[in-house]
Amino acid sequence: QSVLTQPPSVSAAPGQKVTISCSGSSSNIGNNYVSWYQQLPGTAPKLLIYDNNKRPSGIPDRFSGSKSGTSATLGITGLQTGDEADYYCGTWDSSLSAYVFGTGTRVAVL
Amino acid sequence: EVQLVESGGGLVKPGGSLRLSCAASGFTFSSYNINWVRQAPGKGLEWVSSISSRSSYIYYADSVKGRFTISRDNAKNSLYLQMNSLRAEDTAVYYCARAKGDVETARDYWGQGTLVTVSS
Repeated sequence: QSVLTQPPSVSAAPGQKVTISCSGSSSNIGNNYVSWYQQLPGTAPKLLIYDNNKRPSGIPDRFSGSKSGTSATLGITGLQTGDEADYYCGTWDSSLSAYVFGTGTRVAVL
Repeated sequence: EVQLVESGGGLVKPGGSLRLSCAASGFTFSSYNINWVRQAPGKGLEWVSSISSRSSYIYYADSVKGRFTISRDNAKNSLYLQMNSLRAEDTAVYYCARAKGDVETARDYWGQGTLVTVSS
């Protein structure tokens, strides 16, 4: 059972915006950096956002991250069919001494 | 180009053992903390274990503690996961993933994964 909670799915039309929430606690999100990962069908996860809001090189600025208290949010603007994937948040949990992932959110482009 | 290539997966009976390997290239392996992450069929990501660059710090998920052992050989640019007393619930694709910085940080590069199936 994951300590980080995400909505199971979100959807929007092409060109629209979606946001994915990630809820945790003071031992994880509240005191550590959050990352976001994209997993396209049948492939390995890929880092999208690190340190709450930074994008690795090559990740378009349509993807953004933010954090407030014990929650984090991933935003995707200008939604494309190629964005259909599972998205996971992740962070270190200082109480567990463990890296924890969110429950995952499937993004569907209508 | 950073590459991580896992191997060693396969079919094993409950109670059996398996050793996974991860071959790294394209970066200074000995300077990075490395992790194992798994994903059961149709399920989400689950962190398994982390090892610091010089093996000074090692962490395990409670679900594998006492059964799995992570290790690395910096001279061979390789990471290992010795899995003993395997259970059906250990069935998953196992990924090795590099930590961007400290062991707490983002996993910035991932291998393609190797499938472990525990079944009689």
